[in-house]
Amino acid sequence: AQSVTQLGSHVSVSEGALVLLRCNYSSSVPPYLFWYVQYPNQGLQLLLKYTSAATLVKGINGFEAEFKKSETSFHLTKPSAHMSDAAEYFCAVSVSYNTDKLIFGTGTRLQVFP
Amino acid sequence: DARVTQTPRHKVTEMGQEVTMRCQPILGHNTVFWYRQTMMQGLELLAYFRNRAPLDDSGMPKDRFSAEMPDATLATLKIQPSEPRDSAVYFCASGLGPGTKSPNTQYFGPGTRLTVL
Repeated sequence: AQSVTQLGSHVSVSEGALVLLRCNYSSSVPPYLFWYVQYPNQGLQLLLKYTSAATLVKGINGFEAEFKKSETSFHLTKPSAHMSDAAEYFCAVSVSYNTDKLIFGTGTRLQVFP
Repeated sequence: DARVTQTPRHKVTEMGQEVTMRCQPILGHNTVFWYRQTMMQGLELLAYFRNRAPLDDSGMPKDRFSAEMPDATLATLKIQPSEPRDSAVYFCASGLGPGTKSPNTQYFGPGTRLTVL
C-alpha cells in the first residue's frame, strides 16, 4: 500500500536561510506527488505537484521539489526563507491512476526566525 | 478566482445537537472530499464522491455521520447527534478526477471549525 513519511514534525530556520522539508514515499512509484501548504486558520493550498513530466518541479512562492526515484524522495526546498513562509507543509501521494484519493503525510511545521 | 466555499466557517454547539456543514465545490469539478483535521489525528479522509455518487466513506463513523451531494454544486456533511470528540476542523476539497488535465489534484476550502460543548 502506498504511504508517505515526512521526517521532522518541526523545522526552524532563520530568515534568508535554505528551507529543506523532507518527504519519502513507499517503494512503489506513485503516479503523482504533491506538496500543500496550510497557513494558520486556512485550508490547504497546492504548492506544487509532480506528474512525471520533469523531475524538478517548480511551485509557487519560490518553492521547488525534486523527485528522486533512487531515494524514493520528494523533498521541498526554497533557497531563501521569508517570514511569510511560516506555515505547515504537507506532502501527499496519489494512491493510483484510477482513484482520486491522496495519502497525506503528517505535516511539517516550518518556523522562520528573524 | 474559482474557490471551494464552506459554510459555516465556525460552529459552536452543544452535545447531542445536529450539525450540518455545507460545501460548494469549484464549478465543473466532479469529485468532492470531506476531511477532518485534529491535532491528535492530523488530516483524516472521511468520505469522497465522484459525480455525486459516494465512492468511499470508510473513514466516517457511520452511526452519527452522513454525507450527501444533493446536486453537483452542494455537498453536505451532517453529524447527529454531535459529541465533544467531534470537535475539529472539517475541510471540503474538490477536483477534476483521474484522467483529466489536472488529475488527482485536490483544491481545499477554508474549513469549518466545529466546537461541541
